[in-house]
Amino acid sequence: DSGVTQTPKHLITATGQRVTLRCSPRSGDLSVYWYQQSLDQGLQFLIQYYNGEERAKGNILERFSAQQFPDLHSELNLSSLELGDSALYFCASSADSRGSPLHFGNGTRLTVT
Amino acid sequence: AQRVTQPEKLLSVFKGAPVELKCNYSYSGSPELFWYVQYSRQRLQLLLRHISRESIKGFTADLNKGETSFHLKKPFAQEEDSAMYYCALKAPKLSEKLTFGTGTRLTIIP
Repeated sequence: DSGVTQTPKHLITATGQRVTLRCSPRSGDLSVYWYQQSLDQGLQFLIQYYNGEERAKGNILERFSAQQFPDLHSELNLSSLELGDSALYFCASSADSRGSPLHFGNGTRLTVT
Repeated sequence: AQRVTQPEKLLSVFKGAPVELKCNYSYSGSPELFWYVQYSRQRLQLLLRHISRESIKGFTADLNKGETSFHLKKPFAQEEDSAMYYCALKAPKLSEKLTFGTGTRLTIIP
């Protein structure tokens, strides 16, 4: 499957901790997007990278950071975790920087206890 | 800022009946509108986009700029249409990101 791959699928951690979510884009795609989906919330855009550079930023907390590596995979780092950070985190990729269509991964479910 | 509203969290329709999933947006310019769908145990995927003016799996959506709506319609619902549907907007001149609505869970009753 050369689609978007996200690891891990599930993550359970305690408040105050730090985690890293990983995303491998679809083969050939240069753009990576991160979205957060909390209970009763839609998909909230966090950040976009294109070919290694930050392209757009949404409502991403200062405790969160991301990067895209030369091999185009991306990592989302969440630190000083709070209970409210529990959510489904989706990664999506697209071929160009204009963002459509997006191909989504299956998401990482983060539970902060 | 752009915003997408899907007023119905849940929608149940009998098989064979018409389906309409509502989507309204707020954006002063000319947006690009999309519908994404997530079937059970599958990843979120693009269903259709307004600029393509296409019908996918019997679904169509027309952009109504006067009403700022992009409702998704299908004349005869099928059981396999049961899924989570998200409306999304891109403001081309502002950003490349997609702004999503909160989604509508469609259940087709056999």
